[in-house]
Amino acid sequence: GENVEQHPSTLSVQEGDSAVIKCTYSDSASNYFPWYKQELGKRPQLIIDIRSNVGEKKDQRIAVTLNKTAKHFSLHITETQPEDSAVYFCAAHLYSGNTPPVFGKGTRLSVIA
Amino acid sequence: GAVVSQHPSRVICKSGTSVKIECRSLDFQATTMFWYRQFPKQSLMLMATSNEGSKATYEQGVEKDKFLINHASLTLSTLTVTSAHPEDSSFYICSAESISGGGTDTQYFGPGTRLTVL
Repeated sequence: GENVEQHPSTLSVQEGDSAVIKCTYSDSASNYFPWYKQELGKRPQLIIDIRSNVGEKKDQRIAVTLNKTAKHFSLHITETQPEDSAVYFCAAHLYSGNTPPVFGKGTRLSVIA
Repeated sequence: GAVVSQHPSRVICKSGTSVKIECRSLDFQATTMFWYRQFPKQSLMLMATSNEGSKATYEQGVEKDKFLINHASLTLSTLTVTSAHPEDSSFYICSAESISGGGTDTQYFGPGTRLTVL
């Protein structure tokens, strides 16, 4: 089955700097890669996703890149703000219906003002 | 976006009692819902896949007789923690996929239920 590794587990950046979180996956059949942001005690919220037919996707300060050959994908947050502080989870799964995503272990991002 | 609700948001119960958690998709139909368990500072651990009209599929190590799942309709799945013990204390989160999908597999998460077993 699919296995997702996420690094780093914790990340501290100064406000205004960029943050990068990386994930690797094992199943080359996976074709959908969402990223979730979870604030303390709250539900995970989808912030951006990418499909395997695309190499990069950007939404304002957030971007995701995908390297299918190497089987890794990354989340990039630019101009970080204190409200970006949260736990971020990557996930990978196969778009076929009824298959759950496999989550990484999460990255706790702290943006220091 | 789609909305998934969960009830209750918080429950405290005595050891040995059973607790039912409801997960509802409010504005879309979901043939599949997933139940996760999350311990503090840890990732989401998939417990089971709930399919409308059929038996749930449980992940390895999850006791199906302890965590009863019923997906009675296209908008409701319930998780019952039977004979709860302190080690069952955790944050339980459900998620749902839209039946139409629209070509996406976006998971819409419920707000979670914090269970504390005394």
